[in-house]
Amino acid sequence: AQTVTQSQPEMSVQEAETVTLSCTYDTSESDYYLFWYKQPPSRQMILVIRQEAYKQQNATENRFSVNFQKAAKSFSLKISDSQLGDAAMYFCAYRSANFGNEKLTFGTGTRLTIIP
Amino acid sequence: GAGVSQSPSNKVTEKGKDVELRCDPISGHTALYWYRQSLGQGLEFLIYFQGNSAPDKSGLPSDRFSAERTGGSVSTLTIQRTQQEDSAVYLCASTILGSLAAPTEQFFGPGTRLTVL
Repeated sequence: AQTVTQSQPEMSVQEAETVTLSCTYDTSESDYYLFWYKQPPSRQMILVIRQEAYKQQNATENRFSVNFQKAAKSFSLKISDSQLGDAAMYFCAYRSANFGNEKLTFGTGTRLTIIP
Repeated sequence: GAGVSQSPSNKVTEKGKDVELRCDPISGHTALYWYRQSLGQGLEFLIYFQGNSAPDKSGLPSDRFSAERTGGSVSTLTIQRTQQEDSAVYLCASTILGSLAAPTEQFFGPGTRLTVL
């Protein structure tokens, strides 16, 4: 079974600064997908960014980028130019590439606080 | 268009009562997932539907939990004889199954917060 570990329960960053959230995972599969989801107080899970394991290039979405280290099974999220609206719980998630069941395995989350 | 909706938004019940949680997926989405988020925990997979069938029920924690999906659309998660440890946020997600080369995004509803007194 796959597991996802987020070792930082809470993080804080000054507005406009850069912060990196850590995530490690364990799997015996060679092909899979990794995701970062944001959950604001509204409870709505929002997809921030995703990475296909077969791609060597790190994914980037505007101010959000990942550092994907497949050999180390590490998948960190970097948020640049942090904004107040970035304050939320962030969850790292894993999905097998086996077609048919796209269930997600989540880490326990990191609560990000933005300091004005 | 409308996103995934869930009802009720909040539910308070007494220990031992049965509860039903409803999920309305995005129209046309073939796959539907239920997850549970306990306090301080990540989301835990409960059950997956493809159409009206449930090929994976492996996450249901006990036989008090059941779910069904009708017409390939609305799904209901039922918890019988609720216990205090069932208190959590129950989230539903839907997606169109993609392909290995084009994984699709799961769209989540706002969840139902269940409190068992």
